[in-house]
Amino acid sequence: DADVTQTPRNRITKTGKRIMLECSQTKGHDRMYWYRQDPGLGLRLIYYSFDVKDINKGEISDGYSVSRQAQAKFSLSLESAIPNQTALYFCATDSGDTGELFFGEGSRLTVL
Amino acid sequence: GNSVTQMEGPVTLSEEAFLTINCTYTATGYPSLFWYVQYPGEGLQLLLKATKADDKGSNKGFEATYRKETTSFHLEKGSVQVSDSAVYFCALSDLTNAGKSTFGDGTTLTVKP
Repeated sequence: DADVTQTPRNRITKTGKRIMLECSQTKGHDRMYWYRQDPGLGLRLIYYSFDVKDINKGEISDGYSVSRQAQAKFSLSLESAIPNQTALYFCATDSGDTGELFFGEGSRLTVL
Repeated sequence: GNSVTQMEGPVTLSEEAFLTINCTYTATGYPSLFWYVQYPGEGLQLLLKATKADDKGSNKGFEATYRKETTSFHLEKGSVQVSDSAVYFCALSDLTNAGKSTFGDGTTLTVKP
C-alpha cells in the first residue's frame, strides 16, 4: 500500500459545487502539505500543517480551505469550485528533518 | 525569498544520448537540494538529493553536484533510456523557510527509441 493515499484520484464537477479531497499517510510524519500542479507552473503550495493544531496558508490559498483531522489525515476543500481550479492536486508529507517530501499519487480535478 | 530556476523544456533525446537539465537556485540560508521525478500518471518521487556544498547525489545513473559557488544543481545522465521519459523537478528545502520546499517549474523529458 502507498504511504500517502489520496482520494478521489479523479473527479469531474460543476462550477459552484463543494469538493473535498482527502489525504491520509502512514509515514508517521507531523508535517503535511497540499500542492497544486498546473502545466508549466511547477508545484504551488496551497496550505500546510506542521501538526494537528497548526494550519498555515501557502502561496495560493484563496478559494481553498483545509482540515487536519488527525496526524495522519489532511483534507482540502473547495467551497465553491470554479473552472480555473481545474488542476492536479498533490498531498505530501515530510519529517521535518531532511527536507525530503513524500507525495501521494495525485487527485485530478476538473471543474466544468 | 527562495527560488529555483530550471532549464525550460520540453527536452527530446534519442536513446543513449547524454542528458543535462540545468537548475540554479536562490536561497537565504543553506538549503538542501533535490531532484524529484514524476512518471506519467504518478506522483513525484525523490530521485536524488544533496545536503551541503560539493555533495554529489546519485541514483539510477543520474547525478547532480551541489555547487555553492554557482548556486547550481544540474542533473546529468550519461545514457538515457526510454523509461527515463518523465517530468523532472529541481527543488530546495531551507530551514530559514521552516523547511518548506521551493520547486522549479519542471522539465519534461521524452526519450525516443
